[in-house]
Amino acid sequence: DTGVSQDPRHKITKRGQNVTFRCDPISEHNRLYWYRQTLGQGPEFLTYFQNEAQLEKSRLLSDRFSAERPKGSFSTLEIQRTEQGDSAMYLCAGHTGELFFGEGSRLTVL
Amino acid sequence: DQQVKQNSPSLSVQEGRISILNCDYTNSMFDYFLWYKKYPAEGPTFLISISSIKDKNEDGRFTVFLNKSAKHLSLHIVPSQPGDSAVYFCAASVGGTSYDKVIFGPGTSLSVIP
Repeated sequence: DTGVSQDPRHKITKRGQNVTFRCDPISEHNRLYWYRQTLGQGPEFLTYFQNEAQLEKSRLLSDRFSAERPKGSFSTLEIQRTEQGDSAMYLCAGHTGELFFGEGSRLTVL
Repeated sequence: DQQVKQNSPSLSVQEGRISILNCDYTNSMFDYFLWYKKYPAEGPTFLISISSIKDKNEDGRFTVFLNKSAKHLSLHIVPSQPGDSAVYFCAASVGGTSYDKVIFGPGTSLSVIP
C-alpha cells in the first residue's frame, strides 16, 4: 500500500467533455505530484504541490488542464474540452522520501 | 528532448541469470537517480536509488551502478526471478534527496523466462 488512492480507475468520455480525477494521499505525503503516462513512454511530469501550494507546472499542462489541492489534502486534476490526445494514464504520487504512486486513472477519449 | 534514455525497449533473461538494465542521461545537473518497477494495471513502485556521490548501491538482489563521467547507470538483478518480469523505469532528479521533480525514461520491459 503506497498510501495514495485515485478515483476513478478508468474513465471513458467523448471528445469535448470535461473530466475530473481525484487523488487522496495519506497525511504523511506533504508533496503531491501528477504525472501522465502514454503507451510506451515513462511517466511525464505535469505538476506538483507542497501542501496546498502549486509549485511547478509543466508546459504539458495546457490551459485546458487545472489542478488543485485545497487544504493540502486531496487533489483534483480537471481536463476541460477533452481531446483524443489526452488519452493516457494519469498518475498521482505522494512524496515521503521517495515518490509513492497510486494505481492511476486511465482516460480514454473517444 | 529526452533527458533520460533507456535504449532497450525489452529484455529477456533466463531465470537464475543476471539481468542488466541500462540507462543514459544527458543533464549533468542530475545528482539523484532512481529505479522504479511497474506491473500492468498498477502504478510504478520504487525499487532502489543512488546519489551521485556514490558509484554503487546494493539492496538484496538489486544493485545500481553509476558512472558519472559516462552519464550512465545500470541496474543489475541477480539472480533473476519470474516475479521480476515488469517494466523498469530509470529516473533522475536534481537536488539530491530533496529533489522537487523526477524525470523518467521510457522504460525497459523485462521478461524472466522460467
